[in-house]
Formats: sequence, C-alpha cells, structure tokens
Amino acid sequence: DVKVTQSSRYLVKRTGEKVFLECVQDMDHENMFWYRQDPGLGLRLIYFSYDVKMKEKGDIPEGYSVSREKKERFSLILESASTNQTSMYLCASSQNLGTSGTSYNEQFFGPGTRLTVL
Amino acid sequence: AQRVTQPEKLLSVFKGAPVELKCNYSYSGSPELFWYVQYSRQRLQLLLRHISRESIKGFTADLNKGETSFHLKKPFAQEEDSAMYYCALSGKSSYKLIFGSGTRLLVRP
Repeated sequence: DVKVTQSSRYLVKRTGEKVFLECVQDMDHENMFWYRQDPGLGLRLIYFSYDVKMKEKGDIPEGYSVSREKKERFSLILESASTNQTSMYLCASSQNLGTSGTSYNEQFFGPGTRLTVL
Repeated sequence: AQRVTQPEKLLSVFKGAPVELKCNYSYSGSPELFWYVQYSRQRLQLLLRHISRESIKGFTADLNKGETSFHLKKPFAQEEDSAMYYCALSGKSSYKLIFGSGTRLLVRP
C-alpha cells in the first residue's frame, strides 16, 4: 500500500517567514508533485520532479521553490510567505509510465497540509 | 489549450436518486481520463480511469470523444457517496495530471 506522508497537517506562519513543507513516499516512485487546492479552483500544480535533483515548473510556480535531494523526499519551500499563499497543499507521487506495463499514471496523494499565513 | 471543466460546484440529490457529475475536456490528441474522489477528512484518491472500463462503488464513466466528455454516473446515490469529485486528464506520455475545479456531491437522506 502506497504511503505518502506530509510533515504537518496544520501550519500557521507569519508574512515574510520562510516555510518548508516536507513530503515523503515509501514506494520508490520516480515522480513527485506539489499542488495547492483552493475552493472553486481545484488542484493546481506548483512543481513536479521526475528524478532526484530534477524539477520542473507547474502552472503556478511563482513564490515557491522545491528540493529533491533523495528519491523519497520532495520539499516545497516558500521563500517569503505571503497571505495569498494560505491554502491546502497536497503532495503526490507516481511511478514512471510503463514501469508496471501500464499506460496510465495513477497519482497517490498525501493527507495535505493546511497552511495559514497571517 | 488543455483544460478540464466541471460546470457544477455543488450537486445535491436525495438518497436513491440517479446522479451524474459532468466533466468536459479540451485536449489535442488522445487523453487519458480519470475521476478522483476526496471523502471528508480523507486523502484524495483515484476512483476510476477510462481505460479500465470498470465500475467502482457503483460509479461508471464513459469517454465520449465526440462530445469531449467523461461524465460520472451512478444510478442510485448513497449517503456515503457524499464527497468532492475531481475529473482529471493526462496525455499518454505525460506524468502530469490536469484537474478540473471539482464538484461537491451531497446526498441527502
């Protein structure tokens, strides 16, 4: 059973603080993703990584950075938190396509971190 | 442009009534379509995918390429179906999923 864990369920930070959100998966998945989930907007991709030290921007990367030093861990960094970054943040992981003979890529999600920036 | 549209933010039905959650997409090529579900206080999880042609928890979804739709249907809704439902697509050789804005399904007793 795939397990994706996130370091905090709830986080409260002040404007201008540096914020680290951690995500760990235990199924040796190559791909990892960070989304933010907002009512009426669905899930929007911030960044994703398809290998250690590799990263690509998603649809809304501004104000965020990521780090993937180990295969199982993918960190999201808010260099200087702002109130408009108050949101639910979801991490996900998936296998590489074709690894298991399949043509689809199911993503497995963590429980989410609700971040409030005051 | 690649896009997934879920026109209803909230769908409220009575227990035992049929339910249809609408999903339309825009994609140049042959996408793969998915429905994800998030029950209260649980993590987002895959419900079903179009290539499997399966029925999960009584839900089915048919890909209509002519109408570019992938509506989720269930003939008799149950209270435990109340949840947030997201339609998503990916390209055949893409790691990424594009999600719709979601529809909250409320099944009333």
